[in-house]
Amino acid sequence: QSVLTQPPSASGTPGQRVTISCSGSSSNIGSNTANWYQQLPGTAPKLLIYSNNQRPSGVPDRFSGSKSGTSASLAISGLQSEDEADYYCAAWDDSLNGWVFGGGTKLTVL
Amino acid sequence: EVQLVESGGGVVQPGGSLRLSCAASGFKFDEYAMHWARQAPGKGLEWVSLISGDGGSTYYVDSVKGRFTISRDNSKNSLYLQMNSLRTEDTALYYCAKDLSSNGLTGWIDPWGQGTLVTVSS
Repeated sequence: QSVLTQPPSASGTPGQRVTISCSGSSSNIGSNTANWYQQLPGTAPKLLIYSNNQRPSGVPDRFSGSKSGTSASLAISGLQSEDEADYYCAAWDDSLNGWVFGGGTKLTVL
Repeated sequence: EVQLVESGGGVVQPGGSLRLSCAASGFKFDEYAMHWARQAPGKGLEWVSLISGDGGSTYYVDSVKGRFTISRDNSKNSLYLQMNSLRTEDTALYYCAKDLSSNGLTGWIDPWGQGTLVTVSS
């Protein structure tokens, strides 16, 4: 059972907009920033969004993040087949004194 | 270019020990915190441990506290994870990853190495 809760799966057709939610608590997302990682099949994770809504250079602006209270969301617009991957949210947890990840959401592009 | 190469994985019996290494290159190693994370077969990511750039601060996930020890040798640009009293549930692909900051608290954990597989089985 992960500290951060994500839906196990999400799907969309090419060109659509999809959102992935991440629910936490006051000790993690509620008091710290949320980050998102993308893991393409068979590869290592890659940072996608940091500090709730910032994109590292090289990440397309189709990817955006937001945070409200104890929840965070990742939105992908103009969905492409190459976006098919697992997506993980993460945040520092003040109570656990460590980083926590969500259980991951498998995105399927139909 | 930043490169992180893990090694030291293998098959070990429950209760056994293993030492993972991560060779870093392409950046000033002692200026950045480093992480270990793991991924059990077919499962999600789990953060394991963090060490600050100067090695003075370390953090662990509760499930490995007292069993795993993170360390670094800045003169060798190397990160380590000493794993003792291994359990079957420690079976996973172990990744090392670089942080953006020296304290490891920014959330910018990237890039990641390709991982080294640890299998705990009798």
